[in-house]
Amino acid sequence: AQSVAQPEDQVNVAEGNPLTVKCTYSVSGNPYLFWYVQYPNRGLQFLLKYITGDNLVKGSYGFEAEFNKSQTSFHLKKPSALVSDSALYFCAVRPHTGGFKTIFGAGTRLFVKA
Amino acid sequence: KAGVTQTPRYLIKTRGQQVTLSCSPISGHRSVSWYQQTPGQGLQFLFEYFSETQRNKGNFPGRFSGRQFSNSRSEMNVSTLELGDSALYLCASSLWGGPLDTQYFGPGTRLTVL
Repeated sequence: AQSVAQPEDQVNVAEGNPLTVKCTYSVSGNPYLFWYVQYPNRGLQFLLKYITGDNLVKGSYGFEAEFNKSQTSFHLKKPSALVSDSALYFCAVRPHTGGFKTIFGAGTRLFVKA
Repeated sequence: KAGVTQTPRYLIKTRGQQVTLSCSPISGHRSVSWYQQTPGQGLQFLFEYFSETQRNKGNFPGRFSGRQFSNSRSEMNVSTLELGDSALYLCASSLWGGPLDTQYFGPGTRLTVL
């Protein structure tokens, strides 16, 4: 079965410190991986995606993600967290096959403390 | 370019009623997907439409249906509402709906069933 796991319900980090939000996946074949962010009462905003090529993907708002095929992981990172980064983060995968749908992780709530 | 718009933003219905939600995709996008977001189940795929055809459907009962018009606008309908249908319903559009496509989400419709 194809799935995405975000092992942490919540991540707490101090402003200015680096942050990591973890994601692992299980799909057949090569995955297409995405990160989205959701602010309160808003829809999801696209941050970045991995299709192929460099394992380090750079995205919006200073975020980046590292694809690791051997560990089937796609962790989201930022070198220096901002209070405004506090939100709900979703990792997602779109399999090569399986008909045009996105499989989302359960989400990780990030709290950045001033 | 205008983003994905969803109407209405908020709805309150009672059990047994039916509801229709609307989604207007980004101009030029032909694929529209619908997702249900709840605290307990997270983001769950409902269905995806492309060129007025449903290409994939999630594991929801037949009370959930949708359609897409020739201008790519989409509607979803829920009949015989149940308390458990209370959720944020998100619409996402993309160019072709393929696995490489980035989906762009609307702000959602918050449905409350009393």
